[in-house]
Amino acid sequence: QKEVEQNSGPLSVPEGAIASLNCTYSDRGSQSFFWYRQYSGKSPELIMSIYSNGDKEDGRFTAQLNKASQYVSLLIRDSQPSDSATYLCAVRRGQNFVFGPGTRLSVLP
Amino acid sequence: NAGVTQTPKFQVLKTGQSMTLQCAQDMNHNSMYWYRQDPGMGLRLIYYSASEGTTDKGEVPNGYNVSRLNKREFSLRLESAAPSQTSVYFCASSESPSVPYGYTFGSGTRLTVV
Repeated sequence: QKEVEQNSGPLSVPEGAIASLNCTYSDRGSQSFFWYRQYSGKSPELIMSIYSNGDKEDGRFTAQLNKASQYVSLLIRDSQPSDSATYLCAVRRGQNFVFGPGTRLSVLP
Repeated sequence: NAGVTQTPKFQVLKTGQSMTLQCAQDMNHNSMYWYRQDPGMGLRLIYYSASEGTTDKGEVPNGYNVSRLNKREFSLRLESAAPSQTSVYFCASSESPSVPYGYTFGSGTRLTVV
């Protein structure tokens, strides 16, 4: 079992819809979780971080964490074509992070 | 602009050649990292430097060496390049390994070994 798992996609949603991206992790002791967005040919950029169970909202983005289920998700409301990218889930392990393979999101106009 | 600068952006090597990838950050971050990204594999940690003067192996260190030249600069060296090292390499930095901040990534180096 990989440490951090994500569906590779592509996940296609129509413009204006809610995109839901999911991530599971294997280390029950993990405390810090991050979502990065990576456009094709570009470097990852940090979108959200979450440390406590529950929801954390930032603009159109909501991160959700359930440590009991070892599950973290990212919701994107009112999806725009500019949100089309690969979304990477990262889990802190010691001094470093372990990244999932990413989910490719396509927002259709 | 503040950030992480990587050079070169593109490189083609022949098998057996050596090269050094350069990385510099101007955010006064303590920790620096080298990752490689391959299709379907995600980002995998090669080496990291938690602070100036220290370096440690990550998940995939074989075939690489690193040098933390000073607080700003962290270089990655391929001594004898192999086709398996064809990848996109990202340098990243963070304020501290003990504080749960995310990374700031450089723009990447696209390396092809033929």
